[in-house]
Amino acid sequence: DADVTQTPRNRITKTGKRIMLECSQTKGHDRMYWYRQDPGLGLRLIYYSFDVKDINKGEISDGYSVSRQAQAKFSLSLESAIPNQTALYFCATSLAGGTGELFFGEGSRLTVL
Amino acid sequence: AQSVTQLGSHVSVSEGALVLLRCNYSSSVPPYLFWYVQYPNQGLQLLLKYTSAATLVKGINGFEAEFKKSETSFHLTKPSAHMSDAAEYFCAVSPLNNNDMRFGAGTRLTVKP
Repeated sequence: DADVTQTPRNRITKTGKRIMLECSQTKGHDRMYWYRQDPGLGLRLIYYSFDVKDINKGEISDGYSVSRQAQAKFSLSLESAIPNQTALYFCATSLAGGTGELFFGEGSRLTVL
Repeated sequence: AQSVTQLGSHVSVSEGALVLLRCNYSSSVPPYLFWYVQYPNQGLQLLLKYTSAATLVKGINGFEAEFKKSETSFHLTKPSAHMSDAAEYFCAVSPLNNNDMRFGAGTRLTVKP
């Protein structure tokens, strides 16, 4: 089983719909992240959380919100999806006090029509 | 803030040839540097990392990278390409003790038979 699990892996939705992407991890890491990947742009940080009570905005947080329900769970929400949020989304974890190495899930491909 | 520039969005080499993927970084503080690889339909996996120890870093699958502070570079090399090396490669930078990791735009490596 994967250490970092994302659901759903693929989702097609319509403009204006609310979407939630979920992430759970069994690595025991305190830190969790949401990134989006777009061709030619690499990965950009949306939100990150250093523990359950600590949530921080990343480079591109507008239009997104997150919830850290437990140490092992970090969900990303699009309150009203728009077509330019079509992307591949990755959840990642890292160990507090470590070198910052990230451990990634397999990604959630979201298409907004 | 730190940033990463990867020179060349696509690199094509013949099987058995040298692989050279270029990465330059900008950071106001001593950085940690990383190379990740992404195979189709998968998340990113760590290839290697520089964390202020030896400047020549060896990673998995025969890859290595050299940290050159004077050139602000962290190029990835492999002496002999294999078909299984075909993937997208991302360089990333993170300040010491800070998990604000920034990724380059990625370089897609194609290996020709």
